[in-house]
Amino acid sequence: AAGVIQSPRHLIKEKRETATLKCYPIPRHDTVYWYQQGPGQDPQFLISFYEKMQSDKGSIPDRFSAQQFSDYHSELNMSSLELGDSALYFCASSFLRGGYSTDTQYFGPGTRLTVL
Amino acid sequence: AQKITQTQPGMFVQEKEAVTLDCTYDTSDPSYGLFWYKQPSSGEMIFLIYQGSYDQQNATEGRYSLNFQKARKSANLVISASQLGDSAMYFCAMRVFTGNQFYFGTGTSLTVIP
Repeated sequence: AAGVIQSPRHLIKEKRETATLKCYPIPRHDTVYWYQQGPGQDPQFLISFYEKMQSDKGSIPDRFSAQQFSDYHSELNMSSLELGDSALYFCASSFLRGGYSTDTQYFGPGTRLTVL
Repeated sequence: AQKITQTQPGMFVQEKEAVTLDCTYDTSDPSYGLFWYKQPSSGEMIFLIYQGSYDQQNATEGRYSLNFQKARKSANLVISASQLGDSAMYFCAMRVFTGNQFYFGTGTSLTVIP
């Protein structure tokens, strides 16, 4: 079965640079979520999109922005990178059947961002 | 506010034995879902099992079962017949009806000993 695709899988950037992470959800999934997982930590919710509209916002810094496109893929744009942004960034997708809490989020393999 | 608590930072289990990973949760929302994910050292998050707040029976998926005790607000994961490949970090997560995001616990690192 098709899974969530994330690219790139690994990314190395310098401080103050910008980065763009891409996410391709499972076909027919209409909701995309972004999470940040620091070393030894649990995933922290950043932001989500439903049908190309922002649906929930978590602890996403102002330096980050995201959007979902007409083909449902999503991009997380990160500017003025800091050392503390080094983390594993997950994208997850689900199919929201009227917003029921049964909707499982399926995670992609993650993008490991290292800021030097 | 929603909260997930996993009190076992690390667990060891002998191969072929069963192990229980603890998870308690807190929410005032009457409708919610509870999930368990496995994260091997390679980093991906693998969905294991789901339990809905209105489900009458405990969820089972192969060797995984969820011991759901609603009154105690606990959703423990039971892995039967442990295998070496079960060594990983395990996260308990919750989603409430009024929101889309998942709330994760801090995880339990499980090591299966041959």
